[in-house]
This record gives sequence, C-alpha cells and structure tokens, in this order.
Amino acid sequence: EAQVTQNPRYLITVTGKKLTVTCSQNMNHEYMSWYRQDPGLGLRQIYYSMNVEVTDKGDVPEGYKVSRKEKRNFPLILESPSPNQTSLYFCASSFYGGEQFFGPGTRLTVL
Amino acid sequence: AQSVTQLDSQVPVFEEAPVELRCNYSSSVSVYLFWYVQYPNQGLQLLLKYLSGSTLVKGINGFEAEFNKSQTSFHLRKPSVHISDTAEYFCAVSEGTGGFKTIFGAGTRLFVKA
Repeated sequence: EAQVTQNPRYLITVTGKKLTVTCSQNMNHEYMSWYRQDPGLGLRQIYYSMNVEVTDKGDVPEGYKVSRKEKRNFPLILESPSPNQTSLYFCASSFYGGEQFFGPGTRLTVL
Repeated sequence: AQSVTQLDSQVPVFEEAPVELRCNYSSSVSVYLFWYVQYPNQGLQLLLKYLSGSTLVKGINGFEAEFNKSQTSFHLRKPSVHISDTAEYFCAVSEGTGGFKTIFGAGTRLFVKA
C-alpha cells in the first residue's frame, strides 16, 4: 500500500530534550516536506527536500533540523524543543509538481 | 512573495445547498494550485489540483474549482453538499518552477447542517 508513515504518532516531552520524528514514504517520491498545523494558521512549511542531500527552508524553520540521506526517509529533528513547538506535525511527499501525500500526523506536546 | 488567503474561516450551510469556498493567492511566478480536505482527526487528502490547461478543474466527491488568473483566485464549489462534507478545507499554492515551496491558506471549516 502506497503510504507515508510517521513515528511516533503522539509524543509528550520536556523542554530541551532532543527528539526526532521519523517520516518514510514508499512511493519513490523525490519531494518531501514537513509542516506544522496550528489552529487558525493552517499548515506552515518547516523544511522541504527536492531530493537526496537537497533540502531548503520553508516559512518556519527556526528550531528544527532535517536530513535527507535516503530517498524514502526525511526525519525532523528538534535539538532543544520549547513549548512554542507544541503542535501537530505532518510529513508529505510527492513527485515534482504533483499532489502531496500526507502522513497521519504527529501530535507533539513540549512541557 | 507567495501568500494564500482563504476568505472565510467558517462556512455553515444546509444539506443539499450549494457552497463556495473562496481562495485568493499572490505570487510573482507561475503556480500550481491545490485544494485539500481534512476530516476530523485525519491527515490531508487531495480534492483537486490545477497544474495547467483547462481553468475548470473537477475533483473527487463532486467538487470543482475554477482558476482565474486575472483575479488570482481558485474558488472551490459544490452544487449540493452532504453531511459527510463537513470538514476543513485548505487551499495551497506551490511555485511552478524551482523549489516547490508550498504555502497553505489558514483553512475554511465547512459545517453542513441537516
């Protein structure tokens, strides 16, 4: 089944404790992206990647890191999480110019 | 710089009535346009997209949208809504060249009443 998977689905952590949210797709898509969703703000792009080893900042990259060492994986790293990073996070992938396929979301709470 | 404005944050409508969800964008380059739907506690799924060609685009579940380049709009319409259409709808714009940075609107919550 073609899909984007994210882990974990739910995470509660404390300020400053490094965490990684994994994202994997099995559709051989070149393009992958991370978004955060906050009430009244829609989805805001954090980082995106056009292909392996090619990443670029979206609109809200501060406090996040990404890497794209393999085509299928695009992990999101929070080196020192803060409460303002409490949010619902979505990973997505697509072919160039095509529709994005979204993962199920990761609900992160930073205390 | 790109921006997307969804003109209504909430749209209540009675079942079987028509609905229009409005989306305006600004961009200095050619764009790809999308509408996505998010049902409660789920991820997003594509309703329809405009990449090129005919400005009237048909999507799933009876939805359609019209690309108006002069007004920089991409409004979503459905002639007769169902209770099951209750969801949040997002308009999105991607740059048609280069990096494919994507901007989403803030969303419109469609509430269909019996």
